[in-house]
Amino acid sequence: AQKITQTQPGMFVQEKEAVTLDCTYDTSDQSYGLFWYKQPSSGEMIFLIYQGSYDEQNATEGRYSLNFQKARKSANLVISASQLGDSAMYFCAMREVTSGTYKYIFGTGTRLKVLA
Amino acid sequence: DTGVSQDPRHKITKRGQNVTFRCDPISEHNRLYWYRQTLGQGPEFLTYFQNEAQLEKSRLLSDRFSAERPKGSFSTLEIQRTEQGDSAMYLCASSLEPLRQGRWDTEAFFGQGTRLTVV
Repeated sequence: AQKITQTQPGMFVQEKEAVTLDCTYDTSDQSYGLFWYKQPSSGEMIFLIYQGSYDEQNATEGRYSLNFQKARKSANLVISASQLGDSAMYFCAMREVTSGTYKYIFGTGTRLKVLA
Repeated sequence: DTGVSQDPRHKITKRGQNVTFRCDPISEHNRLYWYRQTLGQGPEFLTYFQNEAQLEKSRLLSDRFSAERPKGSFSTLEIQRTEQGDSAMYLCASSLEPLRQGRWDTEAFFGQGTRLTVV
């Protein structure tokens, strides 16, 4: 069964420093996508970055990069040069492509607080 | 297009009443999802539409819940005989068919949600 685990309920980081948010996943499907979303206090889920299971290179989008280690089934989000506006909940999600399900499965999230 | 739109943003209802939420997806997106999120948790999948067809439903979706997407555009989620345990944020999301983007998977774009409080 597909599952996402985020073991860090909360994290603090100093402004301008880098931070890594952990995500491990479980799936028996060979084809899947991994996603990170940001949810500020306003409530909207904002898409950040995507990694496909067959992508050989780690995904990057601006200050966000995804450290994808397929053998370890981990997809950690790295935020470089943290900004105060990065303070939010961050969710890791997965979608199996060929298992016949269409849903995205989310973890329980990590609350990030950026300190000035 | 300004993204996925949900209405209302907030709803307070008495236990036992029926409520209906509306979602307008991004116009060219043929895939539409409903999720429920409670405090401190990640979104939980409720149901999925591809165009007007409801192709997947979660076991979370009891008989009191029904969703429609009559013309493959906007969608409604109705909860009948609401219970206090239904209090949550209800999120709608939409995505594009991956092949139309030359990809084999695509991200979902979420609306701002409808916060339901059952008193």
